[in-house]
Amino acid sequence: GAVVSQHPSRVICKSGTSVKIECRSLDFQATTMFWYRQFPKQSLMLMATSNEGSKATYEQGVEKDKFLINHASLTLSTLTVTSAHPEDSSFYICSARDWGLADVDTDTQYFGPGTRLTVL
Amino acid sequence: AQKVTQAQTEISVVEKEDVTLDCVYETRDTTYYLFWYKQPPSGELVFLIRRNSFDEQNEISGRYSWNFQKSTSSFNFTITASQVVDSAVYFCALSEGNYGQNFVFGPGTRLSVLP
Repeated sequence: GAVVSQHPSRVICKSGTSVKIECRSLDFQATTMFWYRQFPKQSLMLMATSNEGSKATYEQGVEKDKFLINHASLTLSTLTVTSAHPEDSSFYICSARDWGLADVDTDTQYFGPGTRLTVL
Repeated sequence: AQKVTQAQTEISVVEKEDVTLDCVYETRDTTYYLFWYKQPPSGELVFLIRRNSFDEQNEISGRYSWNFQKSTSSFNFTITASQVVDSAVYFCALSEGNYGQNFVFGPGTRLSVLP
């Protein structure tokens, strides 16, 4: 159990366009999902935390109007990078945590495979 | 604020050598969780272990073992008889509180196992 998927795995877009990344929990209900960004050879930096049905909480320095997060259901969260620019090129990783299932460790974040965004 | 330090940026070993990856953490909470994740070149994070602050027992899983010492705020990870497939970036992480909030990653250690 505890599988998280992301789509797409890789995306290349032109500067100024918007890109949507989906994060799904496949075999459990994720009441909380997290979005991270990882630049080359660096660690993961938390961008925002989203709880199903409520607004996301953004970390300091992350522009909420640029990185739109929607967590409309217990199995899906989306991150939209609006008006993307080359400096937004990065590896975006989502993770999910569940509070309810007995066979899912509720204190562990389960990570998706990541989405590599390249903005030309 | 909590903090995770992985002092070794990069380590290279020859296959079959043992290697220990260090992790030192800082937190004011008495309840917290420590994790190790592996990130191979593909990028996907692979969960290796979780340990809560009340369980200082060392753990062994195959060639992997973990040494948790609250006295030194360390949670070190040892790979015995390393293999080329162990080459990856390894992250230590800390989350605080009863519900694992405030999750923070260390900077990572890049391990290269040479044939």
